[in-house]
Amino acid sequence: GQNIDQPTEMTATEGAIVQINCTYQTSGFNGLFWYQQHAGEAPTFLSYNVLDGLEEKGRFSSFLSRSKGYSYLLLKELQMKDSASYLCAVQDSNYQLIWGAGTKLIIKP
Amino acid sequence: GAVVSQHPSRVICKSGTSVKIECRSLDFQATTMFWYRQFPKKSLMLMATSNEGSKATYEQGVEKDKFLINHASLTLSTLTVTSAHPEDSSFYICSAPGTSEADTQYFGPGTRLTVL
Repeated sequence: GQNIDQPTEMTATEGAIVQINCTYQTSGFNGLFWYQQHAGEAPTFLSYNVLDGLEEKGRFSSFLSRSKGYSYLLLKELQMKDSASYLCAVQDSNYQLIWGAGTKLIIKP
Repeated sequence: GAVVSQHPSRVICKSGTSVKIECRSLDFQATTMFWYRQFPKKSLMLMATSNEGSKATYEQGVEKDKFLINHASLTLSTLTVTSAHPEDSSFYICSAPGTSEADTQYFGPGTRLTVL
């Protein structure tokens, strides 16, 4: 079956760095998405990786290893507003999205 | 874990026809479901909130007569794109909130609509 795994919850301190991991097993691969979702709001697009390596975008970076079925989202210089759920989603061979359950990130002062 | 399914996964239709997309919660009940539209490498745009037994709540700018939503049961919501046009071609995704935590959302795999 198809499966996406990411931690349920993580806690980090303001100003620190946190890495949210995502592992996947899917039938085919056509890219991996990271979304941020604040409670009661629609998910916001953060990144899209289709090739191996690190994509950096400001304080957020996303890494992909297709051979390992692994990705991570790295958040630097954490701010209180980064408290949210972070969703990992993979597009399979049919371009269907397989969603992780999301990681709730709690930022403490 | 909770699973949300969508049917069909992909549909191609002619301009002017109507297309119905189903969203089902497979192992839990959902009094509320959300319909999104995804643009390539963009955030999901919330279109409407589907409420079981009552009218859907549409976001500003979304035509309710064009995107008909029916939440007929606690496990099924449907989105009908009426008189579809090529600009309606997109990826439509539904989600349903989990029952254990208020801020948990379970997303469907999406439906790719292509209007010729």
